[in-house]
Amino acid sequence: EVQVVESGGGLIQPGGSLRLSCAASGFTVSSNYMNWVRQAPGKGLQWVSIMYSNGYTYYTDSVKGRFTVSRDNSKNIVYLQMDSLRAEDTAIYYCAAFTSVAPTWYYYGLDVWGRGTTVTVSS
Amino acid sequence: YVVTQPPSVSVAPGKTATITCERYNIGEKSVHWYQQKAGQAPTLVLFHNDHRPSGIPERFSGSNSGNMATLTIIRVEAGDEADYYCQFWDPGSDHVVFGEGTTLTIL
Repeated sequence: EVQVVESGGGLIQPGGSLRLSCAASGFTVSSNYMNWVRQAPGKGLQWVSIMYSNGYTYYTDSVKGRFTVSRDNSKNIVYLQMDSLRAEDTAIYYCAAFTSVAPTWYYYGLDVWGRGTTVTVSS
Repeated sequence: YVVTQPPSVSVAPGKTATITCERYNIGEKSVHWYQQKAGQAPTLVLFHNDHRPSGIPERFSGSNSGNMATLTIIRVEAGDEADYYCQFWDPGSDHVVFGEGTTLTIL
């Protein structure tokens, strides 16, 4: 079964750090386009980051320089390292994947989503 | 990026719901649509403007041209009540972009 499972969320003080994990099964993270998407309480979906199959990473402006995406190919896990956390980073964080490996991978949508992990930044 | 969706759409059961997604030249993008029911993760209901993933009813259809993409749901059912988001990838910035989201309410 193709799926992703997020973990690592919790309550953290402003300025603190947290590392989220996205464990994939049924497909290989290094061959696909892995995303983090977050949803603040009562708000819409906000894209956070993408890691391409070639390892390149891109971030939304509000987290650039504070968040870092990496992956462990041997474990088939993608990580989101979140530093200098702010109250406005409070959200459910979803891992989502474009699992098409076609050159036109962006034609196929984010077809795999996890259930999310909750991050609360508060003192 | 501002991708405009109506905050809410209300429709009676059995009728047709239309949800729009507006951005300059969005017709040049490959637009996808997601359904998010209360307390759940989003799920893909349309990809590449008008293609349905397996398991999505034929009642769901889409179009994309000019400055507007549209999700249409015919013969709406109570189970269609959810938030709907459009999304595309922008190759110029390598960013994934979501619309503001629309809450579909079944009257």
